[in-house]
Amino acid sequence: GESVGLHLPTLSVQEGDNSIINCAYSNSASDYFIWYKQESGKGPQFIIDIRSNMDKRQGQRVTVLLNKTVKHLSLQIAATQPGDSAVYFCAEGSGGTSYGKLTFGQGTILTVHP
Amino acid sequence: DTGVSQNPRHKITKRGQNVTFRCDPISEHNRLYWYRQTLGQGPEFLTYFQNEAQLEKSRLLSDRFSAERPKGSFSTLEIQRTEQGDSAMYLCASSSSWPAKFFGPGTRLTVL
Repeated sequence: GESVGLHLPTLSVQEGDNSIINCAYSNSASDYFIWYKQESGKGPQFIIDIRSNMDKRQGQRVTVLLNKTVKHLSLQIAATQPGDSAVYFCAEGSGGTSYGKLTFGQGTILTVHP
Repeated sequence: DTGVSQNPRHKITKRGQNVTFRCDPISEHNRLYWYRQTLGQGPEFLTYFQNEAQLEKSRLLSDRFSAERPKGSFSTLEIQRTEQGDSAMYLCASSSSWPAKFFGPGTRLTVL
């Protein structure tokens, strides 16, 4: 069936480095993508989103890139900080007939070393 | 705090018991979603309400599970005859339009 997956389950970086977390999706009908950060014992925290009619969107220290040709999504975090350590999920959805439910990938564990 | 709230935050129960969780969405949000998340996995969709109407249910929502949103505000999720496989984090999200970007803190259920 349709699914969203991640290339790398873990990512370890030094404080101050830039981080890139990748995600592959398979549902070509998806028109909306979201990145979430989840810390231990907490609910997913919205980071940034992008619609399928865009290729790039920037937020504070984060950038999301969407490549619809290869169905690939990435999250770039600039100047990574120890507080960025968490599990990161990509999620995809379609506003068509799915009532807006999101399909999540498995997650990437980001560890930032001081 | 104007975010989505969930109670209780943690619930430990014995197999076979019934449990009920509550979700209070952001005020005036007419859309409400329940998700379930097991360790190491991303959240999985369970069910969706628009106002008080339950419009979609996942096949994950077996007949032991029931969700309600009687007045179109808060919602409850009940699990009857709990099984160890029900142990998970139960998450709620709400929105006034698609998509529901904001989640509550979740209820962690442990079935012994």
